[in-house]
Amino acid sequence: DTAVSQTPKYLVTQMGNDKSIKCEQNLGHDTMYWYKQDSKKFLKIMFSYNNKELIINETVPNRFSPKSPDKAHLNLHINSLELGDSAGYFCASSQGVEGEKLFFGSGTQLSVL
Amino acid sequence: GENVEQHPSTLSVQEGDSAVIKCTYSDSASNYFPWYKQELGKRPQLIIDIRSNVGEKKDQRIAVTLNKTAKHFSLHITETQPEDSAVYFCAASPPGNTPLVFGKGTRLSVIA
Repeated sequence: DTAVSQTPKYLVTQMGNDKSIKCEQNLGHDTMYWYKQDSKKFLKIMFSYNNKELIINETVPNRFSPKSPDKAHLNLHINSLELGDSAGYFCASSQGVEGEKLFFGSGTQLSVL
Repeated sequence: GENVEQHPSTLSVQEGDSAVIKCTYSDSASNYFPWYKQELGKRPQLIIDIRSNVGEKKDQRIAVTLNKTAKHFSLHITETQPEDSAVYFCAASPPGNTPLVFGKGTRLSVIA
């Protein structure tokens, strides 16, 4: 059983398009996240949700909108894709926030042409 | 907010040698320090972690040490093997609702 599953694994699209990445966790965790990993491999937090409520929203363009229909799912929708959005996107979950282990999804490699 | 610095950014060692990666953090209230390993094309995975009430923890060939006074912690890998080649990330957990803050990663290459 995959603990944190994320789809699609690869996403190639044209500038200006809108795309979504889905994430689901079956660990019963309360908190879910989206991290962005750039070409230098730096992992940067984008959003954090606890029990479907947004608790962290780092400096991310409004084109990025997370949606949490329930605490097991956190999807990421991106409008009007730009070249600079090309990166790896990782979903993760943890039981709480402070002092908790993160479990990552398998990642989505987004390429905007 | 918390800031985590990680060194070196790249590290090459001969198979069988030891590797050491060092991190410093800025928030003295941070209390949990995990290390993640990310192989090429894969997800980051937790390999070892340490909490602020412990100075050292070991798991087979991997150990982590924590110096709270100096606000630094290190990952030690002994008897390195080619399969240890990966990017390693340290992280620190500040108090409250702040997610893990990651270092910028160390690319470890173990040369056979």
